[in-house]
Order: sequence, then C-alpha cells, then structure tokens
Amino acid sequence: DIQMTQSPSTLSASVGDRVTITCRASQSISSWLAWYQQKPGKAPKLLIYKASSLESGVPSRFSGSGSGTEFTLTISSLQPDDFATYYCQQYNSYSFTFGPGTKVDIK
Amino acid sequence: EVQLVESGGGLVQPGRSLRLSCTASGFTFGDYAMSWVRQAPGKGLEWVGFIRSKAYGGTTEYAASVKGRFTISRDDSKSIAYLQMNSLKTEDTAVYYCTKDELWSYYYYMDVWGKGTTVTVSS
Repeated sequence: DIQMTQSPSTLSASVGDRVTITCRASQSISSWLAWYQQKPGKAPKLLIYKASSLESGVPSRFSGSGSGTEFTLTISSLQPDDFATYYCQQYNSYSFTFGPGTKVDIK
Repeated sequence: EVQLVESGGGLVQPGRSLRLSCTASGFTFGDYAMSWVRQAPGKGLEWVGFIRSKAYGGTTEYAASVKGRFTISRDDSKSIAYLQMNSLKTEDTAVYYCTKDELWSYYYYMDVWGKGTTVTVSS
C-alpha cells in the first residue's frame, strides 16, 4: 500500500495567516490526491481533488499543488471557520490511503 | 440536494455480524460508485472499500484489514449501499461513513459524505 505522511501534525496560527500543509506519498501517485477538512464530530468535507482542482462551493482561499510524491494545501488567509483537521488522501491505487491529518488550531 | 444517510450501527459483541446501510438521495444512485470509510475514536480516516457502478461491473475493492470479513453491495432500485460486517473485532469500533464517488479518467475520489453511524464492538 502507498503510505501517506503529513507535516506538521499540528499547526497553530492566527486569523489572516497564510497556512501551508505538506503531504508526501511513499511512491508516485501522479496527481491523484484529494484534501479533506474535518471539524470535531462532523463528516469530512472535500476541498481539493486531482491535487489542485477546487471543489465547487469551496472558498478560493484554499488551493492545492504538487504532483508525483509531494503536495501542498495552502490557505491564503486563515478564517475562523478554517480551524479544523485536514487530511490528504491518495486515490491512485488500492487500498486508498489517508494521511494522518494536520490539526490547525488557534494561536 | 445530494444526501447520504447511514444507519444500522450499534453495540455488537466480538465475532458477531452487523449490516450497515447507506440511503442516497438527490442524484442518480446507479450511476456512481460508493465507498465506506471509517474513523476509530480519536484516530484518523481509514478507507474500508468501495463498489463500482453496474456500468463498470459493480465490482468491489477492500482494504486488507477487512478483506474476507466485510462485503459491500448495492441495491440500485432502492438507492442503498450496504456494508456487511462479519467476524467483528474490537478494532472495528469506529464511526462508519459512506461516500459518493466521482469518477475522473478511471480514478475515483470521494466527493460527498454522509454523517456516519457508530459501530461499537465490545463484550
């Protein structure tokens, strides 16, 4: 199985900050990567698919980039609603695998 | 509005079985693959498996941790996906989510999630 790692595991930031989360795959997954946001007690929500495509309805402050084995999720100006845990997930090959998550909390 | 509602969770003893259902609305269910993803208490997300649409053979894929114990099926006439869980273990305790899967050039990603149903495996 392809292993996914994320860094950092926790990120403390303030409203208005630019935030970047990194996701790495243990082998090339081309651009078959998605990013999800999850708030406590809620289901995950799709933000980005195919590494850089913004899901409909997701604010444009979210962006994704990368290909191969290294990817980033960027929030250009952190908003109060963005404090959550973020997961990357590869869908290049079975079993689909998720990263361990990055918790973004208030500084 | 696209909606997925999971049901069937509960408390079950180790070694027993449980069947979860995912009832879909707001889209043509038969045209889409469906996945199950779980989240153990305080842990991250784990993909369980998925079933392709009938147009792509209706075939299934599973995570190694559940292969041979869990079975995913679908009833397109009722817009329901099922997760049959047999020989349950304490480590299967989790919130189980179903997802609608979007297809892009032969690759599937999970674009809509249900709210989840809780399965607790304990004696």
